[in-house]
Amino acid sequence: DGGITQSPKYLFRKEGQNVTLSCEQNLNHDAMYWYRQDPGQGLRLIYYSQIVNDFQKGDIAEGYSVSREKKESFPLTVTSAQKNPTAFYLCASSYFDSPYGYTFGSGTRLTVV
Amino acid sequence: QKEVEQNSGPLSVPEGAIASLNCTYSDRGSQSFFWYRQYSGKSPELIMFIYSNGDKEDGRFTAQLNKASQYVSLLIRDSQPSDSATYLCAVSYSGAGSYQLTFGKGTKLSVIP
Repeated sequence: DGGITQSPKYLFRKEGQNVTLSCEQNLNHDAMYWYRQDPGQGLRLIYYSQIVNDFQKGDIAEGYSVSREKKESFPLTVTSAQKNPTAFYLCASSYFDSPYGYTFGSGTRLTVV
Repeated sequence: QKEVEQNSGPLSVPEGAIASLNCTYSDRGSQSFFWYRQYSGKSPELIMFIYSNGDKEDGRFTAQLNKASQYVSLLIRDSQPSDSATYLCAVSYSGAGSYQLTFGKGTKLSVIP
């Protein structure tokens, strides 16, 4: 079955540590997105990528980095520069020229300990 | 700046009643409109999308779009406790050949048994 997989489901980060969240899709979607969601808040766009080896900053890119070496994969690294990383992180994907919305992964909940 | 506004709620309705969720958007060039349902701790799932002015019905759900008023709504008939969730309105616009979504912050719906 086609879908989008995020791992791990839960992640704990120590102060000053970099962590990487995985996002893999087998939907043959061109575009991939990373969002952050805080309690009671909407989705805030961190980064997005429309094609391999290219990505763009979203509204809250500071303290995060991404790569898009393969069409299927779009990992997100939360760096030590992100001072308040505790949040629910959502990965999504879509066709580049399709107006049919996004498919979301199941999310990763990151907690700083 | 493209904006999507929703009443954060909570909106409480008795079981069996009609729940009405509203959304306004700022960009007149917006082309597609989506409603996602998000249960607590879970990722958003697409329940309806609409492109043309008027109503679109799918089971107990009806999406209504009025482009002149820049207004989209979701009606849930015969509301059930299982409909209790946060409903995200999303609006897509076409930029550089791709369709990107802008999300509202969501309306929390509570269906009281």
